[in-house]
Amino acid sequence: DQQVKQNSPSLSVQEGRISILNCDYTNSMFDYFLWYKKYPAEGPTFLISISSIKDKNEDGRFTVFLNKSAKHLSLHIVPSQPGDSAVYFCAAGEWGTGNQFYFGTGTSLTVIP
Amino acid sequence: EPEVTQTPSHQVTQMGQEVILRCVPISNHLYFYWYRQILGQKVEFLVSFYNNEISEKSEIFDDQFSVERPDGSNFTLKIRSTKLEDSAMYFCASSEGTGRSTDTQYFGPGTRLTVL
Repeated sequence: DQQVKQNSPSLSVQEGRISILNCDYTNSMFDYFLWYKKYPAEGPTFLISISSIKDKNEDGRFTVFLNKSAKHLSLHIVPSQPGDSAVYFCAAGEWGTGNQFYFGTGTSLTVIP
Repeated sequence: EPEVTQTPSHQVTQMGQEVILRCVPISNHLYFYWYRQILGQKVEFLVSFYNNEISEKSEIFDDQFSVERPDGSNFTLKIRSTKLEDSAMYFCASSEGTGRSTDTQYFGPGTRLTVL
């Protein structure tokens, strides 16, 4: 049961350009969404989140967009830097349900210098 | 900066054996979690723990699994009789448990469990 899907397993972007990572979900009850970044041999690190009352949240170079009608969210990284190369996981859940989040399978981003 | 720690980093065990994975959450956090990631697959929620009891658990968290907070600092995951398919990276996480929407989960580095 893939409630959260990341259909692109990998993405390569030139340094300085925009990286766009996509995520789709199926459960209309989800109202809280997060992006995590994961480097090899480390645990996921929280990056940015958005609740369903908003359609955009921005933090420095990172912006998350939420399209509730399409059940789709995306993470934009502008400008992309080589240090952004990592696996990015999208996660979604219902707030107030014990913080159980469902993760996507991840997108491996490579930023080429 | 406070961080979640996990031990051991790698555990190898024989099928049918019991394993205990250990985690030290961030000291003022109240919610604790276990996740696992089978190689090449998504991160899967196992269980959340609050106020010394399980708050929520997934279908994966069957009777072979148990969690415990044996003292004021450790949070453990026990697998009673390991199966080959339990081989995975197990991540512990903790959060403040304030109930705010910004209750970020902080993950540990993971324990790689290999069941032979």
